[in-house]
Amino acid sequence: AQSVAQPEDQVNVAEGNPLTVKCTYSVSGNPYLFWYVQYPNRGLQFLLKYITGDNLVKGSYGFEAEFNKSQTSFHLKKPSALVSDSALYFCAGLLRNTPLVFGKGTRLSVIA
Amino acid sequence: DGGITQSPKYLFRKEGQNVTLSCEQNLNHDAMYWYRQDPGQGLRLIYYSQIVNDFQKGDIAEGYSVSREKKESFPLTVTSAQKNPTAFYLCASSIGQGRSGANVLTFGAGSRLTVL
Repeated sequence: AQSVAQPEDQVNVAEGNPLTVKCTYSVSGNPYLFWYVQYPNRGLQFLLKYITGDNLVKGSYGFEAEFNKSQTSFHLKKPSALVSDSALYFCAGLLRNTPLVFGKGTRLSVIA
Repeated sequence: DGGITQSPKYLFRKEGQNVTLSCEQNLNHDAMYWYRQDPGQGLRLIYYSQIVNDFQKGDIAEGYSVSREKKESFPLTVTSAQKNPTAFYLCASSIGQGRSGANVLTFGAGSRLTVL
């Protein structure tokens, strides 16, 4: 089945340290992949997307993600975490000509 | 400002009642979506619409109904047939749908439905 998975429910990181939020996908063909962020009781906000081209995609708020076809991964990264980055992060895939499929989300906590 | 407006933000319902959640967008987007969010389950697609007067079921359409009479509006009705309707409901829109074009979703702020 076509799917997007986020293997970690929770990620904790100290402020100033690099952060990684993991995402893997299962699909035949080339996926379109996205990261969204959600703050409490709010809708989701778009961070970045991979369609084609460079495997390293830069997005909003200093986030970036690396598309790795051999590992079927699209991990979200940031070199230096801020307390304000604490939120719920969703990976999503446009796996065929259907609406976005979302992972279950990863809660990021950045500790001062 | 362009965006998506969902109302009400909070809604309480007694068992057996139908309720309708409003979603309005002024982005001139063709495609609109309804997702349901439950803790630990991510977002699940209820219904989506690519154009006016057309909509398709998503993964969890049972107990829900929608209409798309105007481009700007995509209301969701939660019927009494929905067994566990307490959840956070998110409406979204995009310029197009699928791999055809600019498919970044813009989300509303959500509506939280609680069944008493």
